[in-house]
Amino acid sequence: AQSVAQPEDQVNVAEGNPLTVKCTYSVSGNPYLFWYVQYPNRGLQFLLKYITGDNLVKGSYGFEAEFNKSQTSFHLKKPSALVSDSALYFCAVRDRTLILTGGGNKLTFGTGTQLKVEL
Amino acid sequence: NAGVTQTPKFQVLKTGQSMTLQCAQDMNHEYMSWYRQDPGMGLRLIHYSVGAGITDQGEVPNGYNVSRSTTEDFPLRLLSAAPSQTSVYFCASSSGTGQNQPQHFGDGTRLSIL
Repeated sequence: AQSVAQPEDQVNVAEGNPLTVKCTYSVSGNPYLFWYVQYPNRGLQFLLKYITGDNLVKGSYGFEAEFNKSQTSFHLKKPSALVSDSALYFCAVRDRTLILTGGGNKLTFGTGTQLKVEL
Repeated sequence: NAGVTQTPKFQVLKTGQSMTLQCAQDMNHEYMSWYRQDPGMGLRLIHYSVGAGITDQGEVPNGYNVSRSTTEDFPLRLLSAAPSQTSVYFCASSSGTGQNQPQHFGDGTRLSIL
């Protein structure tokens, strides 16, 4: 079964400092990986994805993430945090091998990490 | 530029009542899905569909039914509401079969079961 772990419920960072939100995954085959952000009382918004190719993926609002197959990680990063980045962040995974073998086409989310950026 | 529209936004039910949560998208997306969001548990997949007439179960399908008669609509039915179904429900859609495409989410339906 596929799964995602976000080990930190909350991450606090000062504005202007770099931020990292951690994500590790487990799939039987090869992953499609995604990051989403959720603002209060809203649905999730797509930030970036890893499909194949370059391990460093750049996305919206200056965010980027690095795919590390050996560590099964996909951490979200930003060089300089803004107060407006404060939100709930979700990592998600799809097992593309499972899809190809008829095992279902399901997207599994982590439990979310609350990012708080302070002045 | 509607995207994914969910109705109602809020609903209070009594235990045992039934209701349908509506979801419609205007992007001609083949893949649609329903999630529930509970504190500390992230989003859990209830049901999904890869096209009209095709549905499949997610992680937590018990107590919920879906059907997909058109590309645009994907309603979620609660057969007999239970307090454990108190949650925020999100509908999402993506293009193609949804494998490597981002999902577009509605703003959710906040459901309370008394």
